[in-house]
Amino acid sequence: AQSVTQPDIHITVSEGASLELRCNYSYGATPYLFWYVQSPGQGLQLLLKYFSGDTLVQGIKGFEAEFKRSQSSFNLRKPSVHWSDAAEYFCAVGAWGTPLVFGKGTRLSVIA
Amino acid sequence: DTGVSQDPRHKITKRGQNVTFRCDPISEHNRLYWYRQTLGQGPEFLTYFQNEAQLEKSRLLSDRFSAERPKGSFSTLEIQRTEQGDSAMYLCASSFIEGTGVDFFGQGTRLTVV
Repeated sequence: AQSVTQPDIHITVSEGASLELRCNYSYGATPYLFWYVQSPGQGLQLLLKYFSGDTLVQGIKGFEAEFKRSQSSFNLRKPSVHWSDAAEYFCAVGAWGTPLVFGKGTRLSVIA
Repeated sequence: DTGVSQDPRHKITKRGQNVTFRCDPISEHNRLYWYRQTLGQGPEFLTYFQNEAQLEKSRLLSDRFSAERPKGSFSTLEIQRTEQGDSAMYLCASSFIEGTGVDFFGQGTRLTVV
């Protein structure tokens, strides 16, 4: 069965510090992988996606993610966090044109 | 066309009432998805359409839930005889199947059943 695990429910980082959010997936075929961000009461905004090719993908707002097939992981990183990055982050897996399977999300808090 | 639009943004209803939500996708998008998101959880897939055809509806939570996309443009999600457990955020997403494969989400409809 398809599933996504985000092991960290809540992470707090200091502004300017680096960030890594973990995502592990289980998928029968070659997965398409996504990271979305959600601010309170809002919909989801796509940060980045991986379909194929280079396993390190760049996204918006300075985020990047690395696909590691051997570890079934797609971790999200940012070298220097800004206070405006505080939000809920969701990892998702799917195939072309199919519904996505989401993780439960990781809430990011940023402190001064 | 600025994105996926959902209406209303918030809905408070009494238990037992029927509610209907509307989603207007990005105009050229032929795929449309409905998800439900409860507090502390990620979005959970409900149903989706390719143009006006409903491709999957077995994931709708009960027979009280139904969705339509009559002309392949906007879609509606109806919940009949609402229950308190239906309280959630209902999200709509759209994509162009011949395009990038990326789904664009609306801001959601927050349903509260009292």
